Amino acid sequence: GDSVTQMEGPVTLSEEAFLTINCTYTATGYPSLFWYVQYPGEGLQLLLKATKADDKGSNKGFEATYRKETTSFHLEKGSVQVSDSAVYFCALSVAYSGAGSYQLTFGKGTKLSVIP
Amino acid sequence: NAGVTQTPKFQVLKTGQSMTLQCAQDMNHNSMYWYRQDPGMGLRLIYYSASEGTTDKGEVPNGYNVSRLNKREFSLRLESAAPSQTSVYFCASSRPRGPGGYEQYFGPGTRLTVT
Repeated sequence: GDSVTQMEGPVTLSEEAFLTINCTYTATGYPSLFWYVQYPGEGLQLLLKATKADDKGSNKGFEATYRKETTSFHLEKGSVQVSDSAVYFCALSVAYSGAGSYQLTFGKGTKLSVIP
Repeated sequence: NAGVTQTPKFQVLKTGQSMTLQCAQDMNHNSMYWYRQDPGMGLRLIYYSASEGTTDKGEVPNGYNVSRLNKREFSLRLESAAPSQTSVYFCASSRPRGPGGYEQYFGPGTRLTVT
């Protein structure tokens, strides 16, 4: 079946440090890839997405590139802020033949804490 | 445009009690989903509804039932709550098949404790 593996946390960084959160996947079809962010006490929000190989998703200074050859979608940010403290989830979605909806398969999440 | 709304935000139940979690979306999405989130487990799909009038089991459906009341509303029912159902429950919705990926939009969650 489909699966997503992301680096375990928690990750603690100082403000303005460089962030990488690794994500790799296995899928039987051709997936779309997503990063979601969950701030404390809130639901998940879509951070960025990529729908085909070599696409780069970006938002709020975060970036991730869809690498089909390495089945990866690593999240990066050049300079993190305290407000980036949250849990980050990598996810994939595959449109199977005949399916009317597109189930998301999530990684277990990586908690990021940014200290001043 | 409220997006996805869920009620209640918090609930405490005793073992064996029943309750229904409500979810509504105003984005005219066809598909709706119920997830539970447990520490270290990520999100796991309980049930989903591809379109009005259809529902299907997800990864962890035991102990739950769902109703797709209309296009906007999708409820989750616990008939006889158990402590193992203590969790945070999220409802989500997504637009129909189309280009650009199939992201889901999430509600704020219901934190349920079963004692």
